[in-house]
Amino acid sequence: NAGVTQTPKFRVLKTGQSMTLLCAQDMNHEYMYWYRQDPGMGLRLIHYSVGEGTTAKGEVPDGYNVSRLKKQNFLLGLESAAPSQTSVYFCASSYLSRVDTEAFFGQGTRLTVV
Amino acid sequence: AQSVTQLGSHVSVSEGALVLLRCNYSSSVPPYLFWYVQYPNQGLQLLLKYTTGATLVKGINGFEAEFKKSETSFHLTKPSAHMSDAAEYFCAVRGGGYQKVTFGIGTKLQVIP
Repeated sequence: NAGVTQTPKFRVLKTGQSMTLLCAQDMNHEYMYWYRQDPGMGLRLIHYSVGEGTTAKGEVPDGYNVSRLKKQNFLLGLESAAPSQTSVYFCASSYLSRVDTEAFFGQGTRLTVV
Repeated sequence: AQSVTQLGSHVSVSEGALVLLRCNYSSSVPPYLFWYVQYPNQGLQLLLKYTTGATLVKGINGFEAEFKKSETSFHLTKPSAHMSDAAEYFCAVRGGGYQKVTFGIGTKLQVIP
């Protein structure tokens, strides 16, 4: 039972490089989310999706793009990485209609931009 | 609209003492409420949740929380802290319909021997 899987777990980028973080879930969840976690700032929502082919901006979307081409996958892209994007990134998923169920989280991706 | 406020970004307790982590919510509809725990270098995992029914909810590792509608609160408690409880705790809310989950800023719990 894999749940939510994030790839990669660690990455070091140089300023200006691009990369894509992959999130995959096997629970048939409609909602998928990307958060970043920084010391003292809690979890901040970057983008989210309520289903295949749909995405929406969260609190801190600048510098990131996302795509949800398949229901089970949610990709987070950094077009031109900046040191301010050094963070731990978490993907999560939840049901759309079963509102009494929780969100499930991946193990995180630790990204360092130098 | 919905939101969560966690009072106290850092809480320190002595081993064996009561743990109380505060969470207040705002929701325009009856809320579903969650507490998550995050151990160092790990993802978030569910500690407990309130959906409907009994307002006192028991979770894993001896934690419990009470939903108080009149106070719009969902505080997390544990009678006796263990060293292994040192972690970050997040309160979350979800309103009805198609609302997404909204998280609080988190509270880091330090347990002092």
